[in-house]
Amino acid sequence: DADVTQTPRNRITKTGKRIMLECSQTKGHDRMYWYRQDPGLGLRLIYYSFDVKDINKGEISDGYSVSRQAQAKFSLSLESAIPNQTALYFCATSEPKYRDGDTDTQYFGPGTRLTVL
Amino acid sequence: QKEVEQNSGPLSVPEGAIASLNCTYSDRGSQSFFWYRQYSGKSPELIMSIYSNGDKEDGRFTAQLNKASQYVSLLIRDSQPSDSATYLCAVPQGGKLIFGQGTELSVKP
Repeated sequence: DADVTQTPRNRITKTGKRIMLECSQTKGHDRMYWYRQDPGLGLRLIYYSFDVKDINKGEISDGYSVSRQAQAKFSLSLESAIPNQTALYFCATSEPKYRDGDTDTQYFGPGTRLTVL
Repeated sequence: QKEVEQNSGPLSVPEGAIASLNCTYSDRGSQSFFWYRQYSGKSPELIMSIYSNGDKEDGRFTAQLNKASQYVSLLIRDSQPSDSATYLCAVPQGGKLIFGQGTELSVKP
């Protein structure tokens, strides 16, 4: 079984709808991340969480919210989806190699392809 | 200036050649660097990490780090068509990873 899973894998929705993307991990990592990827723009960080009680905005958090329900679960919500949120969304996890804040390897889920019409 | 910059490509090399991918970063305090490979429509996967100046080799892959010049490169020897992918450079910052926009590599048979 995959260590980091995302559901759904594909979703087509309409403008104005509320959408939730879910991420689960069995790696036992404290840190979890949500990214979006658009062609030519690389990976951009939406939100990240270092533990269940810690939620932080990334560079493009507007229009998104998150919930860290447990160490293993981190959900991303689009409260009112708009077409420019059409993208590939990735969840990732990590465990710090050093306790000074530097992150170590990030492990990515398979991604969710979201289309907003 | 972007924090992590890569040439977007595409970089095209013939099969068997050496592919050279470059990345520059702005934070002089950065201590570790990562190269991820991403096939089209798939998730990124880590292929190399490097922490010290110099070269680090792993099979056909060599990462090169020059902290004074603030660049890190990835060399792929004996390139294969299966190496065709986008390669992402990433630098840690405050518990996060800052990614470059990626370089698309195409290896022609």
